Amino acid sequence: AAGVIQSPRHLIKEKRETATLKCYPIPRHDTVYWYQQGPGQDPQFLISFYEKMQSDKGSIPDRFSAQQFSDYHSELNMSSLELGDSALYFCASSSRHVSEQYFGPGTRLTVT
Amino acid sequence: GQSLEQPSEVTAVEGAIVQINCTYQTSGFYGLSWYQQHDGGAPTFLSYNALDGLEETGRFSSFLSRSDSYGYLLLQELQMKDSASYFCAVWGYQKVTFGTGTKLQVIP
Repeated sequence: AAGVIQSPRHLIKEKRETATLKCYPIPRHDTVYWYQQGPGQDPQFLISFYEKMQSDKGSIPDRFSAQQFSDYHSELNMSSLELGDSALYFCASSSRHVSEQYFGPGTRLTVT
Repeated sequence: GQSLEQPSEVTAVEGAIVQINCTYQTSGFYGLSWYQQHDGGAPTFLSYNALDGLEETGRFSSFLSRSDSYGYLLLQELQMKDSASYFCAVWGYQKVTFGTGTKLQVIP
């Protein structure tokens, strides 16, 4: 069965640089969620999209922005990167009225 | 806001039963989910409770009491591969919030 695809799987950036993470949800899933997970921490909800519109917003920094495109893939744009942004970034998808989220393998971002 | 509490670590013997508790505070409540995450892996959905009672899925069961703002995940016939972190997550007006996770170690 198709799963959530995230790219890249690993990314190394320097401070103050910009990064773009991509997420391709499971076909026919209309909702995408972004999470940030630091080492030994729980996933922190950043933002979600339903039918290409932002639906909910969590603890997403102002330096970050995201969008969902017409083909339902989503991109998380991160600017002015800081050392503290180093984390695993997960994307998850679901059908709107279903609570079950399917997580992608994550993108490990390292900021040096 | 939303907050959850769950034990940080639990150790249990292979073949035994273990219960991982989760208490929550939330403004508005839609449901409680449980996820399993192995080291370096992605969270995997286990269960979701919107109503009071027990939901059973194979060796895993999840329970919810909305009046007590409490739920638990029950793992039966523990296997070594069940060693992982288990997160409860609450869905409320402030969207979804994950607990800090319970690291389960299954020993022979």
